[in-house]
Amino acid sequence: SHELTQPPSVSVSPGQTARITCSGDALANQYAYWYQQKPGQAPVLLIYKDGERPSEIPDRFSGSSSGTTVTLTISGVQAEDEADYYCQSGDNSGTFGDVFGGGTKLTVL
Amino acid sequence: QITLKESGPPLVKPTQTLTLTCTFSGFSLSTSGVGVGWIRQPPGKALEWLALIYWTDDKRYSPSLKSRLTITKDTSKNQVVLTMTNMDPVDTATYYCAQTGVVTGDAFDIWGQGTMVIVSS
Repeated sequence: SHELTQPPSVSVSPGQTARITCSGDALANQYAYWYQQKPGQAPVLLIYKDGERPSEIPDRFSGSSSGTTVTLTISGVQAEDEADYYCQSGDNSGTFGDVFGGGTKLTVL
Repeated sequence: QITLKESGPPLVKPTQTLTLTCTFSGFSLSTSGVGVGWIRQPPGKALEWLALIYWTDDKRYSPSLKSRLTITKDTSKNQVVLTMTNMDPVDTATYYCAQTGVVTGDAFDIWGQGTMVIVSS
């Protein structure tokens, strides 16, 4: 079955750059999507189709793809960016639905 | 403005069938490229993709839950219904519905607030 692997946690100081990776075999052929979730809130879409950003999302959030790994980059991290981040992608069969990664807790030191 | 809202019982007993309804506004499920899906999140755990229905009535399910899930749409009522059979305490979670848009592909770009479902006898 299709699986996506994320690091459980990433820590960064304010103003620095945070990079969160997501790995899975199907990512070589499938788009990835990224979400931010703060405690008690529904997730918010940050990135779609690997690197596209909804208009309301700050440009310090960006996404990239290389082979079977996609990366969410947060430049100039702010305290408000402390949250859980999830990747999502589909499988290559086109038969079944997508999966989410296990999530990464971003801590702003 | 697009909104989605989940509704359903807050408490179900083991072995029962859960029926959740997503009522939305601001878009139509007859519009090309649009879909509505369900995602759940057990307390303190990760998101889990459950099911998605497209404007064409094409459906996708999580392979691990496919045998227990059914997703349907009522375009005239702007509703999507998810049923999950044989509920178990491990199914205790917040259940979200969300829209996939024309531009964003299969990304969930607008989410409901979620509804908490507890499975307990």
